[in-house]
Amino acid sequence: GEDVEQSLFLSVREGDSSVINCTYTDSSSTYLYWYKQEPGAGLQLLTYIFSNMDMKQDQRLTVLLNKKDKHLSLRIADTQTGDSAIYFCAESSGQGGKLIFGQGTELSVKP
Amino acid sequence: DAGITQSPRHKVTETGTPVTLRCHQTENHRYMYWYRQDPGHGLRLIHYSYGVKDTDKGEVSDGYSVSRSKTEDFLLTLESATSSQTSVYFCAINREIGETQYFGPGTRLLVL
Repeated sequence: GEDVEQSLFLSVREGDSSVINCTYTDSSSTYLYWYKQEPGAGLQLLTYIFSNMDMKQDQRLTVLLNKKDKHLSLRIADTQTGDSAIYFCAESSGQGGKLIFGQGTELSVKP
Repeated sequence: DAGITQSPRHKVTETGTPVTLRCHQTENHRYMYWYRQDPGHGLRLIHYSYGVKDTDKGEVSDGYSVSRSKTEDFLLTLESATSSQTSVYFCAINREIGETQYFGPGTRLLVL
């Protein structure tokens, strides 16, 4: 069945780059998403990539997609303490447009 | 932000009582979704709607029912709440499949 996997924790120093990785199983996914969740808050869409792309850049964010390996990554350049949050990878499913989420990666940024 | 509100934002209830959560949107989007968020599981789909009176089950639908009598409102009902339904519930909306899904602020439900 459909499944999305992420590592649970990542700790970086302020100013470093962060790379959050995700693997998925549904090769028919048309879009893949990255959402950010701050403590006690809802999910905020960070960026997304269409399945026929292999890279997308948006200011400090770079998304890389390897369709052959079903691997998605999110790179945050110059990571700041305000980037500390949980980051969710999600793939879209053809069934009603539902999203399949990974477990979330908790990013901790140390000053 | 997409115009999505959820009510109540917090609720404490007892096992066996009925609970209804409301999701309201002002965007006139066709698709609406209910997810629950639990530690170690990310978000999992409970039910979704693809139009007024058109709903379908998600992966964790047991113990939940939904209704959508008008475009702007999508209700999630726990007929008889259990402690395993303690969770944070998120509503999401989508104009069309393949477009971005926007999430509401969430409802924290505690079933004692």
